[in-house]
Amino acid sequence: AQSVSQHNHHVILSEAASLELGCNYSYGGTVNLFWYVQYPGQHLQLLLKYFSGDPLVKGIKGFEAEFIKSKFSFNLRKPSVQWSDTAEYFCAVNGISGNTGKLIFGQGTTLQVKP
Amino acid sequence: EPEVTQTPSHQVTQMGQEVILRCVPISNHLYFYWYRQILGQKVEFLVSFYNNEISEKSEIFDDQFSVERPDGSNFTLKIRSTKLEDSAMYFCASRADRGGGEQFFGPGTRLTVL
Repeated sequence: AQSVSQHNHHVILSEAASLELGCNYSYGGTVNLFWYVQYPGQHLQLLLKYFSGDPLVKGIKGFEAEFIKSKFSFNLRKPSVQWSDTAEYFCAVNGISGNTGKLIFGQGTTLQVKP
Repeated sequence: EPEVTQTPSHQVTQMGQEVILRCVPISNHLYFYWYRQILGQKVEFLVSFYNNEISEKSEIFDDQFSVERPDGSNFTLKIRSTKLEDSAMYFCASRADRGGGEQFFGPGTRLTVL
């Protein structure tokens, strides 16, 4: 079955701390991978995506993610978080072939950054 | 910057009533989606829509649900007879191209069924 698992449900960090949010997926085929962010009171926004090529992808606001195919993982990282990074983060995948593009989401990770 | 819009932002209804959730996707997009998120749970795919027909639907999307694009602009989700368990945040999304391109999400409609 297709699924996405995010390891951390709630993360609390102080400003300037480093962040790594885990994401693993199960999907029988080639996938595209995404991280979406939802700031309080706002809609889901794309942070970054991986389709092919360099497995280390850089997104907006200093975020990056690394696709490790052998581990079925796509972890999100940021070297130094800011208070404004407080938000909910969702990992998502979709299949490439024979697929309508539907996204399968992880359960989300709530990040709280203390000033 | 173009964006997906949704109305209303919050809908309260009585169990058994019909509701219509409205979305205006980005104008040149071709693929449209509805997702929902029950409080405390993950975002779940409901249905995808392309070329004026449903291209895929989940097991959640039963006969009580329907979608349509009545005028080339709006994309609606109708729930015929709401149940308590339909209470959730409903997100509309649209995408421009084939394959796995980025989906742009609307702000969501919070549906509360009493």
